[in-house]
Amino acid sequence: QLQLQESGPGLVKPSETLSLTCTVSGGSISSSSYYWGWIRQPPGKGLEWIGSIYYSGSTYYNPSLKSRVTISVDTSKNQFSLKLSSVTAADTAVYYCASHKLGFDYWGQGTLVTVSS
Amino acid sequence: NFMLTQPHSVSESPGKTVTISCTRSSGSIASNYVQWYQQRPGSSPTTVIYEDNQRPSGVPDRFSGSIDSSSNSASLTISGLKTEDEADYYCQSYDSSNHWVFGGGTKLTVL
Repeated sequence: QLQLQESGPGLVKPSETLSLTCTVSGGSISSSSYYWGWIRQPPGKGLEWIGSIYYSGSTYYNPSLKSRVTISVDTSKNQFSLKLSSVTAADTAVYYCASHKLGFDYWGQGTLVTVSS
Repeated sequence: NFMLTQPHSVSESPGKTVTISCTRSSGSIASNYVQWYQQRPGSSPTTVIYEDNQRPSGVPDRFSGSIDSSSNSASLTISGLKTEDEADYYCQSYDSSNHWVFGGGTKLTVL
């Protein structure tokens, strides 16, 4: 059973870059035919897919965020990461990492990131 | 890109049946599988229906999913409502460009 855990700063200043890492356990990030994705949920609002990386390294991003998002994988650490640049208060949300194929099968517990000076 | 539209909220009494709809704005609902997630406050979402109408192990058979091509929508039906079913429910699908989309979510109140 896969387990995912998000980590990173809980507070980011406006205009800076949000960086989060997801550590995967219970399976290899490079050996299974999974996508590794990021989803966010602003307080009191719904889920928004940010983007995903395939185990082969191909990346797919939400068109509304594409210009600011980078997702990468570090197979040596069994981790994948999210970078979101030029953040504003609108990027304040709980950020989840998840493994998925057509649907999202395993989720991390989520981490709240607040954008504020 | 397409959107998935859900009612903001639904409510029903314990023991009754409720149906939550999810309408796809463009492209056929039947072209790509629909998943449904349950999210309780403070918790991560969990899958209650995958591939339109399949239940993961451990999900009661009170939960069922379907699609209707005539209305280009998917539905989640919960029968024999229990207070523990009170939660937010999200539909989710994807497109041929490997973009994944969530519906806006529906708050289910069991009163």
